[in-house]
Amino acid sequence: QKEVEQDPGPLSVPEGAIVSLNCTYSNSAFQYFMWYRQYSRKGPELLMYTYSSGNKEDGRFTAQVDKSSKYISLFIRDSQPSDSATYLCAMSAGGNKLVFGAGTILRVKS
Amino acid sequence: GAVVSQHPSRVICKSGTSVKIECRSLDFQATTMFWYRQFPKQSLMLMATSNEGSKATYEQGVEKDKFLINHASLTLSTLTVTSAHPEDSSFYICSARDSGPETGTYSYEQYFGPGTRLTVT
Repeated sequence: QKEVEQDPGPLSVPEGAIVSLNCTYSNSAFQYFMWYRQYSRKGPELLMYTYSSGNKEDGRFTAQVDKSSKYISLFIRDSQPSDSATYLCAMSAGGNKLVFGAGTILRVKS
Repeated sequence: GAVVSQHPSRVICKSGTSVKIECRSLDFQATTMFWYRQFPKQSLMLMATSNEGSKATYEQGVEKDKFLINHASLTLSTLTVTSAHPEDSSFYICSARDSGPETGTYSYEQYFGPGTRLTVT
């Protein structure tokens, strides 16, 4: 079993839709949770960062962490074609190492 | 701020040759940099952690004699793929952690470079 599970998609939605991206994990030591966006053949870009459980909102993006269920989510409101990318969740137990999910390909159609 | 560059962006080399990839933090100092490898449609896999002025720490299964890492300054780390083979063809991405005094709660953020596409023929 992988430490971090993420549905690779692709997930196709119409412009303006609310997008829900999710990851589950097995290591209860994870405390830091991140979402990255990666465009094709580019490096990942940090979108959201959350420590422990709870919600965090930044513009159209909301990150949720439920440590009791070992489940994290990223919501994108009013999705735009420019949001089309691969979204990677990543987690850390507090050391240097980030453990990434496989990434979900998102396609927003205009 | 927090820009990381990589050079080259793409490289094609012949089997048996060595290739050096540079990773630079442009507007911050990074005592710690990370090297990842990403195969098509797969996630990033950490290869090694590079610490300025000391030996790199390699992940299990990564050959340290094949993937030579040097972190000679607070803004530069290099990855040399020695005696490259076609199976080493991949997307290599570095990241850097801001080690300045203003990191605050974002001490675990890593800023990623744009990646280097290596093709070994």
